[in-house]
Amino acid sequence: GAVVSQHPSWVICKSGTSVKIECRSLDFQATTMFWYRQFPKQSLMLMATSNEGSKATYEQGVEKDKFLINHASLTLSTLTVTSAHPEDSSFYICSARDPNGGGQFFGPGTRLTVL
Amino acid sequence: GESVGLHLPTLSVQEGDNSIINCAYSNSASDYFIWYKQESGKGPQFIIDIRSNMDKRQGQRVTVLLNKTVKHLSLQIAATQPGDSAVYFCAEKEAGTALIFGKGTTLSVSS
Repeated sequence: GAVVSQHPSWVICKSGTSVKIECRSLDFQATTMFWYRQFPKQSLMLMATSNEGSKATYEQGVEKDKFLINHASLTLSTLTVTSAHPEDSSFYICSARDPNGGGQFFGPGTRLTVL
Repeated sequence: GESVGLHLPTLSVQEGDNSIINCAYSNSASDYFIWYKQESGKGPQFIIDIRSNMDKRQGQRVTVLLNKTVKHLSLQIAATQPGDSAVYFCAEKEAGTALIFGKGTTLSVSS
């Protein structure tokens, strides 16, 4: 099946710094990728939809200036958490849509801890 | 086997029992549904899917039932094993949009 990777798998940073998370589709080209956030013992919440070569579409309540998304190639999308604060600590999961089969495949997630 | 009519956040079963996990979805325009399994610290793992033109689909040890009238989805796991212990999420999708996840159910299997 289609494989989606994320890097890093976990990151610890100081408050006020920025953190970049990468999401790659390894064996297919994804014109659309999605970013989700999951707090402990809660469900996955869609943050934004990222389309290759265009601006991301953010869900209501998600600050686009704080969560910068770049989808510069068909196999890579990045999420940058700018000026991170402890409340941004969460599990961030990306997903990529395979345009051939239409399936949506998930990465293994990135655990962000902001001190 | 254990059966729940409404969504419950946790379900505890004995090894070998059948498990039924329920989910209510909200968007009547959703036409595709998926059940995912998520183990601690990992991303969601695909279990089984169903399209809105079906009301039942079977996989290996798993069955998904869809009731569009009441917007209800269920996952049945036969002969539940300790390795099935995880959080299970249903997700719904309308054409051209992203998957939206429902509330999870934590399944605990004791041997």
